[in-house]
Amino acid sequence: NAGVTQTPKFQVLKTGQSMTLQCAQDMNHEYMSWYRQDPGMGLRLIHYSVGAGITDQGEVPNGYNVSRSTTEDFPLRLLSAAPSQTSVYFCASYSPAGNSYEQYFGPGTRLTVT
Amino acid sequence: DAKTTQPNSMESNEEEPVHLPCNHSTISGTDYIHWYRQLPSQGPEYVIHGLTSNVNNRMASLAIAEDRKSSTLILHRATLRDAAVYYCILRDDRGSTLGRLYFGRGTQLTVWP
Repeated sequence: NAGVTQTPKFQVLKTGQSMTLQCAQDMNHEYMSWYRQDPGMGLRLIHYSVGAGITDQGEVPNGYNVSRSTTEDFPLRLLSAAPSQTSVYFCASYSPAGNSYEQYFGPGTRLTVT
Repeated sequence: DAKTTQPNSMESNEEEPVHLPCNHSTISGTDYIHWYRQLPSQGPEYVIHGLTSNVNNRMASLAIAEDRKSSTLILHRATLRDAAVYYCILRDDRGSTLGRLYFGRGTQLTVWP
């Protein structure tokens, strides 16, 4: 299994540009999430999904959109990039089966907005 | 809200035990205690979790206080590869937030050779 994969690894955007961060998992996990991590900080939840067709907002959703058309994919769209969105973005997936709820994180996408 | 309190940093020598403390005085009866760690330039990885009883796995041990208001992650013999930020997290299992994790700033563990 590849686990959770994210593309691209690095991205530089100009203010106002839009882009989509890709996330895919091959573990058939129902739950998927997007987090951002600013320097010296912990991770903050942007959006999450509990299954295909179902998404909801996390702590910091403004400026981001998500959709979940398949179990495997959970793309994150930046509508109009701002310097405040410069961060490292992590995608995670997990299954609520059992009581572990162990989350598997991707390697991250480092985004710089100039 | 992170809902947990951890020291900003700790240091250890290689092959010595490390005890990483965490306070969670507002823990509810249904909150599981999770520990994740984040190696440099990587995503977080799961370490261990528990509810009330102490837990052991191949990576670490988790000691939970009887009143559940604090816990300690124990690395029995630190290696250089254990240098990471360690996050103590209360897992939210209520309704639609099932399984959500709230990350704080964690504890930066430095391991000296």
